Amino acid sequence: QSVLTQPPSVSAAPGQKVTVSCSGNSSNVGHNYVSWYQQFPGTAPKLLISDNNRRPSGIPDRFSGSKSGTSATLGITGLQTGDEADYYCGTWDSSLNVYVFGTGTKVSVL
Amino acid sequence: EVQLVESGGGLVQPGGSLRLSCAASGFSVSGNYMSWVRQAPGKGLEWISIIYVAGFTYYADSVKGRFTVSRHNSENTLYLQMNSLRLEDTAVYYCARDSCGGGSCYPSSWGQGTLVTVSS
Repeated sequence: QSVLTQPPSVSAAPGQKVTVSCSGNSSNVGHNYVSWYQQFPGTAPKLLISDNNRRPSGIPDRFSGSKSGTSATLGITGLQTGDEADYYCGTWDSSLNVYVFGTGTKVSVL
Repeated sequence: EVQLVESGGGLVQPGGSLRLSCAASGFSVSGNYMSWVRQAPGKGLEWISIIYVAGFTYYADSVKGRFTVSRHNSENTLYLQMNSLRLEDTAVYYCARDSCGGGSCYPSSWGQGTLVTVSS
């Protein structure tokens, strides 16, 4: 029952840029910081971006995050084959008092 | 180094119970917000519970009244007691250490997960 909407898939050629959108409402994305997670098949999710646009130590600056109103965006520049994974946004929903994840987006490198 | 190791998963019949454990090292479970997140086969992430430093707990509607999160401070371990299990509870269960800022928290460090299969 994801309340954050993401596109099912995005793709681009190596070296190009992709963006992944995350759409919510005023109780979640519009009210709280957004995080982004990267998940490879069969492995645990990994924090990629926190606080809308902060990269944890060790995350390349090819990954970026932004937020405007009730939507957030993950950007990946200089796309590499090793970036092929599922990406999820997440944030706290102040109305439901739960943490909510996006529906997930599969990033593919053509 | 922060490390989280889940255990306790397995095969259980519908209506049965299971208790998951999450052993932490490199930090104190009692001094951090801790979450459980699950992922059904081939599906997305679903947050299911959080326990605050002060002991308050919150649950997703899908597990409220059936699941209980707790912690054992001296063992530095987080637990998830799961009762009245349903077929749709089949998933990999992850525990996570939350980081907090700006008035909200988010899962930041994750364990490797443990698989729970509910089937007759």
